Amino acid sequence: AQSVSQHNHHVILSEAASLELGCNYSYGGTVNLFWYVQYPGQHLQLLLKYFSGDPLVKGIKGFEAEFIKSKFSFNLRKPSVQWSDTAEYFCAVTLRNFNKFYFGSGTKLNVKP
Amino acid sequence: DAGVTQSPTHLIKTRGQQVTLRCSPKSGHDTVSWYQQALGQGPQFIFQYYEEEERQRGNFPDRFSGHQFPNYSSELNVNALLLGDSALYLCASSPTSLRETQYFGPGTRLLVL
Repeated sequence: AQSVSQHNHHVILSEAASLELGCNYSYGGTVNLFWYVQYPGQHLQLLLKYFSGDPLVKGIKGFEAEFIKSKFSFNLRKPSVQWSDTAEYFCAVTLRNFNKFYFGSGTKLNVKP
Repeated sequence: DAGVTQSPTHLIKTRGQQVTLRCSPKSGHDTVSWYQQALGQGPQFIFQYYEEEERQRGNFPDRFSGHQFPNYSSELNVNALLLGDSALYLCASSPTSLRETQYFGPGTRLLVL
């Protein structure tokens, strides 16, 4: 069965620190990859997505992610976090031509001011 | 432009009862997907509706059923509720041409006692 792993369940950083959240998936075929964010009290929102092309994807609010096919990974990065980045981050995968999303269990990021 | 709306926001039921949750998709979207998010977990795909038919289904029992209406709104029905059905139920909508771009609603929190 397909699965998405987010190994960091809870990350605590100080403002201006760099962020990298890991995401690995288990599927050998063509995939679409996503990062979603859920700010406290808000809906899930799309941060960025990768369908094809340049494996380095830039999203909103200074976030980026790199698709490394050989490692089945799609890690999320931000060079300098802000207190307002405190949220829960979810990695998700869909199989190409299918619309069934597989989500990871999420990583809670707490940025200390 | 209203986003995805869901009703009710909260619901308390007892074991064995039945529940119906409702979702109105974002304007212009014709595809609706439902997810279950248990506490501390990522969303789990239940099923997807398009053209009033179930197109994709996750690993959920037949107690979970749905419907899509001609105006694209959707209902999720759960019969014979179990304690383990307590979760946040999320609806997401997307347009046909970009079915991977899903917009999420705020969810309905169901508590089964």
